[in-house]
Amino acid sequence: QVQLQERGAGLLKPSETLSLTCDVSVGSLSGYYWSWIRQSPGKGLQWIGEINHYGATKYTPSLESRVTVSVDTSKNQFSLHLKSVTAADAGVYFCARGAGPLLNQRGAFTFWGPGTLVTISS
Amino acid sequence: DIQMTQSPSSLSASVGDRVTITCRASQAIGNDLGWYQQKPGKAPKRLIYAASTLQSGVPSRFRGSGSGTEFTLTISSLQPEDFATYYCLQHNNYPWTFGQGTKVEVK
Repeated sequence: QVQLQERGAGLLKPSETLSLTCDVSVGSLSGYYWSWIRQSPGKGLQWIGEINHYGATKYTPSLESRVTVSVDTSKNQFSLHLKSVTAADAGVYFCARGAGPLLNQRGAFTFWGPGTLVTISS
Repeated sequence: DIQMTQSPSSLSASVGDRVTITCRASQAIGNDLGWYQQKPGKAPKRLIYAASTLQSGVPSRFRGSGSGTEFTLTISSLQPEDFATYYCLQHNNYPWTFGQGTKVEVK
């Protein structure tokens, strides 16, 4: 069974960069798309972006100018960087795996990490 | 973006009740829709995929139906462990989008 675990700084100041990593255990990153999703009281669940093992990425348009998702296949992990955070970026951040490589499989999230809370405060 | 309009936003029900939750997509998405259950402090858990296929290990009281723009999640006989928040998710086209959620509460 695939397991995902988010880690990273949980408290940031406004304007800083949010950096999270998702460690994937059991199996490799190949053949799937790996996503970041966040949940905040104001906006519910929001998909942030995804990456495959080749490094091909796709982002949600509203965050695209501030987001970078990267992959390290040697460590079986992928990462999220979100620049210039504000209070609106606070919430729980999840990493997740899609069901397969086809377009309509990439966002069919089958496995999720437990989530990590990010707080933004000066 | 494809907007997913989920209703109701909350409902009160009793154990044994039949519960129905609806998601409407702003454009046709075929059957590229999943239903998720989320309990406080936990990640969402997929119940239904491809609009109507039950995820392995999920009780048969959960049923998904619909295609195109109208989708429904039905819980045939609500159990104590079913009190939670439910979300739909479309994965037909970027960006992947969720419904706003339906909180099922104890009546």
